Amino acid sequence: GAGVSQSPRYKVAKRGQDVALRCDPISGHVSLFWYQQALGQGPEFLTYFQNEAQLDKSGLPSDRFFAERPEGSVSTLKIQRTQQEDSAVYLCASSSHIGGTSFSTDTQYFGPGTRLTVL
Amino acid sequence: SQQGEEDPQALSIQEGENATMNCSYKTSINNLQWYRQNSGRGLVHLILIRSNEREKHSGRLRVTLDTSKKSSSLLITASRAADTASYFCATDAKSNFGNEKLTFGTGTRLTIIP
Repeated sequence: GAGVSQSPRYKVAKRGQDVALRCDPISGHVSLFWYQQALGQGPEFLTYFQNEAQLDKSGLPSDRFFAERPEGSVSTLKIQRTQQEDSAVYLCASSSHIGGTSFSTDTQYFGPGTRLTVL
Repeated sequence: SQQGEEDPQALSIQEGENATMNCSYKTSINNLQWYRQNSGRGLVHLILIRSNEREKHSGRLRVTLDTSKKSSSLLITASRAADTASYFCATDAKSNFGNEKLTFGTGTRLTIIP
């Protein structure tokens, strides 16, 4: 079936603009993750959803970052008043695993990412 | 913050040779995973090794895990041009909220020379 999709693939914003990044997870996947990947670095965790509930937002760098998943499927990551340091690739991942229910971890399937450039 | 450190940061080898990448991490883990990322594309899961396992194979991939040294290695045998990519290790630990979240290393950029 279809994998994780993200849109737009590329976004250029002027400093101070708001942006919204969309993630379509694999159908039926309960868990959804957002990661931020700076140039030359590994991805860093931002936030986690289990269905529509945002259970972990400990990685969000500031209150300018906001994520939602209102119907437990598509998720949107919104960045308000973008700054140059927000420039990065934003990756979304989904898995069928439900956190906290077992010791094991299910594979996270990643989308292609959205490359955000803030000028 | 990055949990793991991969070394080398960059590796270039001839096609057909074996490539070995290492990863070190800092805290206790449930499992460790390796991912591949081609330029401009998302991460592809390669292999997962659990904390109670020492070695695992998948096709041309061999992963080892030494929890006493907090380190892992990824061996790709008989490398191909298509193996050119960045490789990341990722450790998994339960957060305070019960979810598992991956903490990635800084990556090894592997280039296979035809």
